[in-house]
Amino acid sequence: SQTIHQWPATLVQPVGSPLSLECTVEGTSNPNLYWYRQAAGRGLQLLFYSVGIGQISSEVPQNLSASRPQDRQFILSSKKLLLSDSGFYLCAWSVGTYYGYTFGSGTRLTVV
Amino acid sequence: DQQVKQNSPSLSVQEGRISILNCDYTNSMFDYFLWYKKYPAEGPTFLISISSIKDKNEDGRFTVFLNKSAKHLSLHIVPSQPGDSAVYFCAASFNTNAGKSTFGDGTTLTVKP
Repeated sequence: SQTIHQWPATLVQPVGSPLSLECTVEGTSNPNLYWYRQAAGRGLQLLFYSVGIGQISSEVPQNLSASRPQDRQFILSSKKLLLSDSGFYLCAWSVGTYYGYTFGSGTRLTVV
Repeated sequence: DQQVKQNSPSLSVQEGRISILNCDYTNSMFDYFLWYKKYPAEGPTFLISISSIKDKNEDGRFTVFLNKSAKHLSLHIVPSQPGDSAVYFCAASFNTNAGKSTFGDGTTLTVKP
């Protein structure tokens, strides 16, 4: 069966520190991968998506970046965190638009 | 410009009654519409979807209705159960290889026993 792992579950980081969030998928090949962020009381904002290894598309200009070094691994990074980077970060995968996404359990990031 | 809107932040219904969650969209080119359910501190879970060529899709207690002329869709839950209490997100997608979805801000449903 397909599963998605996302870690850590919570993270408190000081302003200006680096960030690395990792997401891995099991049980499927060549999935579309996504990073979303949910601000408090808001919907999910698409940050990055990837349709294959090394293929990254950015939806929103920001100080975050993403990489896909392996087929089923998706990494969200930042060199220097801002207070505005706080939020709930979700990784997701999909093999077809109609069938929706499978989301990871999310990472609650608080930048202090 | 928010392309997918859920104008009701919250909804409260009695157990056993019908819950109706609404969603409006602005882009008539969307191909698919989806509903997700989210519990606190968890990722959303896909519930049900509908293609733009249909006006209804049913899966157990969940039915999604699509009114393309009004650019409106709704999720009906019948009968509502306390375990249905969660945040419900509406999403819309284009039928492209990337399969990106645009989400609404969510509606918090509370089902009272």
